[in-house]
Amino acid sequence: AQTVTQSQPEMSVQEAETVTLSCTYDTSESDYYLFWYKQPPSRQMILVIRQEAYKQQNATENRFSVNFQKAAKSFSLKISDSQLGDAAMYFCDRETSGSRLTFGEGTQLTVNP
Amino acid sequence: NAGVTQTPKFQVLKTGQSMTLQCAQDMNHNSMYWYRQDPGMGLRLIYYSASEGTTDKGEVPNGYNVSRLNKREFSLRLESAAPSQTSVYFCASMIPDTNTLQETQYFGPGTRLLVL
Repeated sequence: AQTVTQSQPEMSVQEAETVTLSCTYDTSESDYYLFWYKQPPSRQMILVIRQEAYKQQNATENRFSVNFQKAAKSFSLKISDSQLGDAAMYFCDRETSGSRLTFGEGTQLTVNP
Repeated sequence: NAGVTQTPKFQVLKTGQSMTLQCAQDMNHNSMYWYRQDPGMGLRLIYYSASEGTTDKGEVPNGYNVSRLNKREFSLRLESAAPSQTSVYFCASMIPDTNTLQETQYFGPGTRLLVL
């Protein structure tokens, strides 16, 4: 089965510090997309960052960046200068051919003031 | 431009009752999806529709049916609700960016369903 695994059900970070959320996945395809989504208490899903598998350069969006290791099938999310508003559930998502989306189990991030 | 909308926001059903969850998007997207979200399980795909007139089963289709009424609307029906279908249901739509070929998914706000 092609799966996405988030091994950290919960993480916490102090405000202004950096935290890394891990994600590993399995796929037999060579070209695919990877995403991180944020789900605040409102339950709306918000796209945080995306990465194309054929690009070696790690994606960056302001305080959010990824460490994409294609050979290891690893896609971690780094949040720098954490803010209280970053507290949410974070989902890693893999999209393969045919627009099939597979999500991880989620990581609940707590930001402590 | 409202994005992806879902109705209702919350629903309580008794076992055996039926209901339809509605989803609509005004972004002219081709692909639409229905997910359920359960604690520790992430988002699991129920059904998806790659284009108007087509639907395909996802990971957990049993107990559900869908209709892609037109390009805008994609409904999810529970014919005989069971307590195991208590969950939060998300609708999503997607379209590729023709400039970058990147694809972005847009999610609705979710529907909380409780089956007693």
